[in-house]
Amino acid sequence: DTGVSQDPRHKITKRGQNVTFRCDPISEHNRLYWYRQTLGQGPEFLTYFQNEAQLEKSRLLSDRFSAERPKGSFSTLEIQRTEQGDSAMYLCASSTDMWDETQYFGPGTRLLVL
Amino acid sequence: AQTVTQSQPEMSVQEAETVTLSCTYDTSESDYYLFWYKQPPSRQMILVIRQEAYKQQNATENRFSVNFQKAAKSFSLKISDSQLGDAAMYFCAYRSAPNSNSGYALNFGKGTSLLVTP
Repeated sequence: DTGVSQDPRHKITKRGQNVTFRCDPISEHNRLYWYRQTLGQGPEFLTYFQNEAQLEKSRLLSDRFSAERPKGSFSTLEIQRTEQGDSAMYLCASSTDMWDETQYFGPGTRLLVL
Repeated sequence: AQTVTQSQPEMSVQEAETVTLSCTYDTSESDYYLFWYKQPPSRQMILVIRQEAYKQQNATENRFSVNFQKAAKSFSLKISDSQLGDAAMYFCAYRSAPNSNSGYALNFGKGTSLLVTP
């Protein structure tokens, strides 16, 4: 049983560039979540998918951010025109849709915007 | 929106001793879930323990147990017989019940850094 995987693990980019991150959830999980974690803070919710449908978005998800989950499997999170304030750890989590579902986290993608 | 407060930025415990990490939360909901997650340095976040608000019995997982005080909105984590491998950031998190309109997002506290000394 493989856990949640994320790629890349680290990304350094220059301000203004676009970046894309990938998350592969646990295979039988149909819910997928994205969180952002800055230094010294707890994770903050960005968005959530039920299968391929994006059902909830945080106000933190500005119009430069877009997330997709084609076919309800892996998900991508794209940040356009990156800013230094986007530097953070981007965490993906997945869960089943059972009533008592627990979210299982991936290792994260650490983004540094120079 | 629900808020989660962890008032201890750092805690220290000696190996084999017991330590308690504090967490309080603010909510108007009657049904919800509470979690403690552990995030070791440069490693991924893993679930330590969870508690359903409708259950009066405190959850226990081996050396980890919680003291859930619903009226006081308090959810502390007790680690017994502390081990060097327990050193990590510990996050308390809140999630609304599935039948609420608040979605499935976890609301995290800022975390408590636990240092375990030999």
